[in-house]
Amino acid sequence: TQLLEQSPQFLSIQEGENLTVYCNSSSVFSSLQWYRQEPGEGPVLLVTVVTGGEVKKLKRLTFQFGDARKDSSLHITAAQPGDTGLYLCAGGRSNYKLTFGKGTLLTVNP
Amino acid sequence: EAQVTQNPRYLITVTGKKLTVTCSQNMNHEYMSWYRQDPGLGLRQIYYSMNVEVTDKGDVPEGYKVSRKEKRNFPLILESPSPNQTSLYFCASRPLAGGLQETQYFGPGTRLLVL
Repeated sequence: TQLLEQSPQFLSIQEGENLTVYCNSSSVFSSLQWYRQEPGEGPVLLVTVVTGGEVKKLKRLTFQFGDARKDSSLHITAAQPGDTGLYLCAGGRSNYKLTFGKGTLLTVNP
Repeated sequence: EAQVTQNPRYLITVTGKKLTVTCSQNMNHEYMSWYRQDPGLGLRQIYYSMNVEVTDKGDVPEGYKVSRKEKRNFPLILESPSPNQTSLYFCASRPLAGGLQETQYFGPGTRLLVL
């Protein structure tokens, strides 16, 4: 099974700070997705990137897919308490299978 | 409202007692999938279905069965549950046509404890 390593595992920051979460693999993925999960709920899709080198922005969130399609990053600018949650990356192995990373638990303190 | 529903949300059972977790979606999605989420292991895919009567194994199918008799429903069956199946289970669905570029919608989760 292809593995996706996320780092850091835990991140606690103050409101207004910037942060980056990384998702790395030794395998190539056809696509890479980022999800956010809040306690007691299912993951919610934030973005899908499919092209090596692709950069997508969603308000204060910037997602990048590595040139070789083996890694990705999520950068949050001026984090807010509402950004608190578990961030998951997931790599597409076919049209039907996803491999998830273990997640980064982000806490943004007011 | 477009949604994926799961029942029950919480379940405590004993080893060996057959159980079914139901999943239903109202978005006419062809693709449905089951995942389990465990601390330190993340989300792992159990089974998926591309359409009615078409199912296939994910990464951790042992001890589970599924069926897809109707497009909207995708139940997860544990014929003889064991304590190592204690977990948080998620059902998800999405359209098939666009592959992984389609948005996958997750249900709220079912927390299962097997004693």
